[in-house]
Amino acid sequence: QKEVEQNSGPLSVPEGAIASLNCTYSDRGSQSFFWYRQYSGKSPELIMSIYSNGDKEDGRFTAQLNKASQYVSLLIRDSQPSDSATYLCAVEGSGGGADGLTFGKGTHLIIQP
Amino acid sequence: NAGVTQTPKFQVLKTGQSMTLQCAQDMNHNSMYWYRQDPGMGLRLIYYSASEGTTDKGEVPNGYNVSRLNKREFSLRLESAAPSQTSVYFCASNTNRRRGEKLFFGSGTQLSVL
Repeated sequence: QKEVEQNSGPLSVPEGAIASLNCTYSDRGSQSFFWYRQYSGKSPELIMSIYSNGDKEDGRFTAQLNKASQYVSLLIRDSQPSDSATYLCAVEGSGGGADGLTFGKGTHLIIQP
Repeated sequence: NAGVTQTPKFQVLKTGQSMTLQCAQDMNHNSMYWYRQDPGMGLRLIYYSASEGTTDKGEVPNGYNVSRLNKREFSLRLESAAPSQTSVYFCASNTNRRRGEKLFFGSGTQLSVL
């Protein structure tokens, strides 16, 4: 069974600091990785996707992928109170996306003003 | 452009009652998915439909049935609701024509089974 592991938190970070969120996955053949943000009572929204080893930057967000270690991370620079949410790591299986994504349990992030 | 529309938004059932959750997308997507989300459990796949005319079980299919009515609509049915099915249900879709494609989510249905 495919597994995606995240620390559930809460992770508390001061405003303006860097928030670091981590995720490990079990399916070594996985090729596509996603970070979704979910505010309380809302549906998940995609903030980052990454497919190759290394870093991918988009504004204040940086996704990092290490397939050898089966590890994905998300860095949020200059954290803002509006970044307070649950962050879900999602992995597309080795068979492609036809059977959906496997999600981690999410990390609850709190940015302290 | 409405995207993915789910109805109802809230529902309270008694144990043993049945109901159908409706989902429709207007983006001409091939694939549709039903997830449930429980506190501390993340999103778990119940059923999915890779294309019109096909459905397959996901991680937690017991107690549910689905129907891909046409390309737009994918419904989830609880034949005899149980308290363990109290959850937030999300429908999602994408074209699924290439790897790494994002999911578009509906706004969710909060279901309570008493």
